[in-house]
Amino acid sequence: DQQVKQNSPSLSVQEGRISILNCDYTNSMFDYFLWYKKYPAEGPTFLISISSIKDKNEDGRFTVFLNKSAKHLSLHIVPSQPGDSAVYFCAASANSGYALNFGKGTSLLVTP
Amino acid sequence: DAGITQSPRHKVTETGTPVTLRCHQTENHRYMYWYRQDPGHGLRLIHYSYGVKDTDKGEVSDGYSVSRSKTEDFLLTLESATSSQTSVYFCAISGLGLAVLDEQFFGPGTRLTVL
Repeated sequence: DQQVKQNSPSLSVQEGRISILNCDYTNSMFDYFLWYKKYPAEGPTFLISISSIKDKNEDGRFTVFLNKSAKHLSLHIVPSQPGDSAVYFCAASANSGYALNFGKGTSLLVTP
Repeated sequence: DAGITQSPRHKVTETGTPVTLRCHQTENHRYMYWYRQDPGHGLRLIHYSYGVKDTDKGEVSDGYSVSRSKTEDFLLTLESATSSQTSVYFCAISGLGLAVLDEQFFGPGTRLTVL
């Protein structure tokens, strides 16, 4: 059973606008959340993370928001650039820290 | 670059043959993982290792075994490959310091086709 869900398989955004990628989770034991970016024929690349003690983390153009009561997190990319076009995976781990549970991914296309 | 390589990068094999995939890291990370990626499933954990000779099962471990005889190498073995094991396999590493809760770094992947 999928514990991390990315319900939008794809998203198209114009260059310069905001991209918002969403992720929901069901396991209340998850306490660490990550976003990965993946280009075709490459391994996933770590983008940004947030622990459950925070509700926001920023790194340059990327911000992750965590709403624990709703079991929801989102990744905001501002401004979006064509190089951001990739598949984005949301992942979560419980307090063991060993295993990451991944969503199915959202394919982002940023058009000029 | 986290210094993680996978070999082979591509492999085609026949049903029933044994296959071993290798993950090699150069940066002394404590934890190593094997995932598979399939359309419609994202990445799923097969096995992981939390130290030399210390391994445990992940979500989709049936049909796979692993070994870690030294820090830098983590091997994934398909004892008798089946067509359902056609997939892209990713190795990941984490735990350079004392922290367990840190990001995992992924290798470039191995595309395995079982005919």
